[in-house]
Amino acid sequence: ILNVEQSPQSLHVQEGDSTNFTCSFPSSNFYALHWYRWETAKSPEALFVMTLNGDEKKKGRISATLNTKEGYSYLYIKGSQPEDSATYLCAPRDGSSNTGKLIFGQGTTLQVKP
Amino acid sequence: DGGITQSPKYLFRKEGQNVTLSCEQNLNHDAMYWYRQDPGQGLRLIYYSQIVNDFQKGDIAEGYSVSREKKESFPLTVTSAQKNPTAFYLCASQGLWGTEAFFGQGTRLTVV
Repeated sequence: ILNVEQSPQSLHVQEGDSTNFTCSFPSSNFYALHWYRWETAKSPEALFVMTLNGDEKKKGRISATLNTKEGYSYLYIKGSQPEDSATYLCAPRDGSSNTGKLIFGQGTTLQVKP
Repeated sequence: DGGITQSPKYLFRKEGQNVTLSCEQNLNHDAMYWYRQDPGQGLRLIYYSQIVNDFQKGDIAEGYSVSREKKESFPLTVTSAQKNPTAFYLCASQGLWGTEAFFGQGTRLTVV
């Protein structure tokens, strides 16, 4: 089983606060790291797919960094808004074979209070 | 519209019965996945398939079966051997390696 850890498990912040979460994964045989946002009553949607060590991606107020050598990724949200409230999931995919699979962490649930 | 469709949205099953959850995609994706979510837990992989007529067990495959006779379809059967089938089930599909996965709306299964 691919061991994926996300922290914190949950987070409550005030509107306007900036926040960040961590995703830790085994660094061996790394291929790609996915971040998804899952809002209540909706399907998970992709935020980023990252493959290169040192990669940094940005979408609006949300950005992510990747360290494949030490096996972690950070997701940052600048100036949180109530619509950012969701569960954020990370999923590394290994490159050990062409039957690589997506294994998800438990997620970080963010609540942004107006 | 391209997408991935799960049906039904809600399903009730009597103990001892098998039930099949549908997952169809028209995205021309090779890979398809089934996940289970329980309250307070993340997504756990049940089965996945990278190509037609081939599939692999995930971390919690016991009590489940799948088939992949067509690229578009990956139905999941929850058998009577599954001890705790009440859960939320999500299907996903993915194209080439490294590309994002797309998810269905999910099926909530309740054993009554």
